[in-house]
Amino acid sequence: QVQLVESGGGLVKPGGSLRLSCAASGFSLSGYFMSWIRQAPGKGLEWVSYISGGRNIISYAASVKGRFTISRDNRQNSLFLQMSSLRAEDTAVYFCVRGGKLELMDAWGHGTLVTVSS
Amino acid sequence: SYVLTQPPSVSVAPGQTARITCGGDSIGSKSVHWYQQKPGQAPVLVVSDDSDRPSGVPERLSGSNSGNTATLTISRVAAGDEADYYCQVWDSTSDQVVFGGGSKLTVL
Repeated sequence: QVQLVESGGGLVKPGGSLRLSCAASGFSLSGYFMSWIRQAPGKGLEWVSYISGGRNIISYAASVKGRFTISRDNRQNSLFLQMSSLRAEDTAVYFCVRGGKLELMDAWGHGTLVTVSS
Repeated sequence: SYVLTQPPSVSVAPGQTARITCGGDSIGSKSVHWYQQKPGQAPVLVVSDDSDRPSGVPERLSGSNSGNTATLTISRVAAGDEADYYCQVWDSTSDQVVFGGGSKLTVL
């Protein structure tokens, strides 16, 4: 059974940093693109970033480029999102998702809430 | 950047057919995917590659895509179909995943 479990969310001050993790089970991370998608409170879905199985293809949304870094550890079957220079507008539930680019986003975690506030 | 436009809300009576549109420049040349999100839950893929249904998705849900509009059609709508629906494509020009703004389906 495919499962994605996010962790690492919480309250952080503007300008601060946070690292999100996503533990995958039921499939091998190395065979898939993986993405982070976020959803601000009461708002729609916003793609943040994706990374290929081989880690050589990475893309970011313009809103986070230069501040966020996506990475993965295929041995640990885990995906990460290092977030820095956080802003109030980064406040959202962050979903870990299997897929991205041309691969279907067919499995989603339940999300972890990041709140950026002083 | 590529923009997908959805109506914010769609209302339909039980048993009727709901059509949710997703507009984009030459969207017919792209593969469109649709997600259903119920309150407090993660999105679920319900239509892929314009018109394919993942395993477990009822035949009542179908998709089409041509020209500048993609459409998700839900037949024989029931209360359990109430949700937000999002269309999504990958834009090769910008190398970005793009979501529509979402449409809230209300069953009257």
